[in-house]
Amino acid sequence: QVQLQESGPGLVKPSQTLSLTCTVSGGSISSGDYYWSWIRQPAGKGLEWIGRIYTSGSTKYNPSLKSRVTISVDTSKNQFSLRLSSATAADTAVYYCAREDVAVTAGGFDIWGQGTMVTVSS
Amino acid sequence: SYDLTQPPSVSVSPGQTARITCSADALPKHFAYWYQQKPGQAPVLVIYKDIERPSGIPERFSGSSSGTTVTLTISGVQAEDEAEYYCQSADSSGSWVFGGGTKLTVL
Repeated sequence: QVQLQESGPGLVKPSQTLSLTCTVSGGSISSGDYYWSWIRQPAGKGLEWIGRIYTSGSTKYNPSLKSRVTISVDTSKNQFSLRLSSATAADTAVYYCAREDVAVTAGGFDIWGQGTMVTVSS
Repeated sequence: SYDLTQPPSVSVSPGQTARITCSADALPKHFAYWYQQKPGQAPVLVIYKDIERPSGIPERFSGSSSGTTVTLTISGVQAEDEAEYYCQSADSSGSWVFGGGTKLTVL
């Protein structure tokens, strides 16, 4: 079955760009009717949706992060990526990638990666 | 900003029924979704489109909706159901929003 795996630096310096990649295995990122999202969770806190990309390349971002976020897709590598610029300590969190099945769950994130911890610190 | 309001905690004894609510003005206009998250693990979808249960989720998990409140009901709670539960819905711009989470304690 489809699995997601996040990867990227675990430590980012303040003011630098946080960059993560989600690799999709067990299926093609281009097949089916799916959105691919990034979601984060600071330690001991709740979930925050960052944004999503459709396989066509169309994106939608959380308005509170929109000015700093870019999500892109590389169908040849079966990956999608997150870039969050001007990182601060407030961006320290576990970052998850997740799939949204438009046809079935219509908004529910049915598959999640295991999450990767990113710390913003000098 | 758009807020989905959940109680911080709910406690029940094994075998009882747990009800976790999520409230917001726009909930009648958008579907709600529920996730279970255990410590150190990624969330798991347990209810989608207000009332639908994904395959593999036990029948004791159910969802309902009434006005500006949606409810996750866990019937016959088991010790393994102890977890944090989050609701999710859309705001007026179509962005996804999560509730603050409810810690379910099985006494």
